[in-house]
Amino acid sequence: QKEVEQDPGPLSVPEGAIVSLNCTYSNSAFQYFMWYRQYSRKGPELLMYTYSSGNKEDGRFTAQVDKSSKYISLFIRDSQPSDSATYLCAMSPQSGGYQKVTFGTGTKLQVIP
Amino acid sequence: GAVVSQHPSRVICKSGTSVKIECRSLDFQATTMFWYRQFPKQSLMLMATSNEGSKATYEQGVEKDKFLINHASLTLSTLTVASAHPEDSSFYICSARQLAGNTIYFGEGSWLTVV
Repeated sequence: QKEVEQDPGPLSVPEGAIVSLNCTYSNSAFQYFMWYRQYSRKGPELLMYTYSSGNKEDGRFTAQVDKSSKYISLFIRDSQPSDSATYLCAMSPQSGGYQKVTFGTGTKLQVIP
Repeated sequence: GAVVSQHPSRVICKSGTSVKIECRSLDFQATTMFWYRQFPKQSLMLMATSNEGSKATYEQGVEKDKFLINHASLTLSTLTVASAHPEDSSFYICSARQLAGNTIYFGEGSWLTVV
């Protein structure tokens, strides 16, 4: 079993829809969670990060963490064609230093005009 | 957000030659930098973790003699692909972790084509 599981998609939604992207994990040591967006042929771009369970909102994006279920989500409201990209979740143990970050495989999202 | 610069963005080299890719954190200090490889339509594959002032830690299956990593300062890490072959053609991406905290920022990636 992989430490981080993420549905690769592709996920196709109409413009304006609410998108839900999810990852599950098995390592209870993970305390720090990140979401990245990667456009084709580009490096990943950090969207959001969070330490705690609950919701964190930034514009149209909401990151949700449920540590009891080992489940994290990224919601995109009012999705736009420019949101079409691959979304990667990432996580690591909380403490700093040289902790390894584990990535999901990425979910490809396509927002159709 | 923090900026990580990767250079060159594209490089074409002849088989048997060596290629160096630089990764710089422009506005923060990075004790740890990571090097990834990504094949088309596939996820990031961690190759090695580079810690400033010490030897890199390579993932299983990655040849340390072929992918030479140097992390000489808190803002610069380099990946040298030694004696490159066509099968080394890929998208190489670096990332850097800020000295304070766990946030990781990625470079734009470098496309390597070996002919």
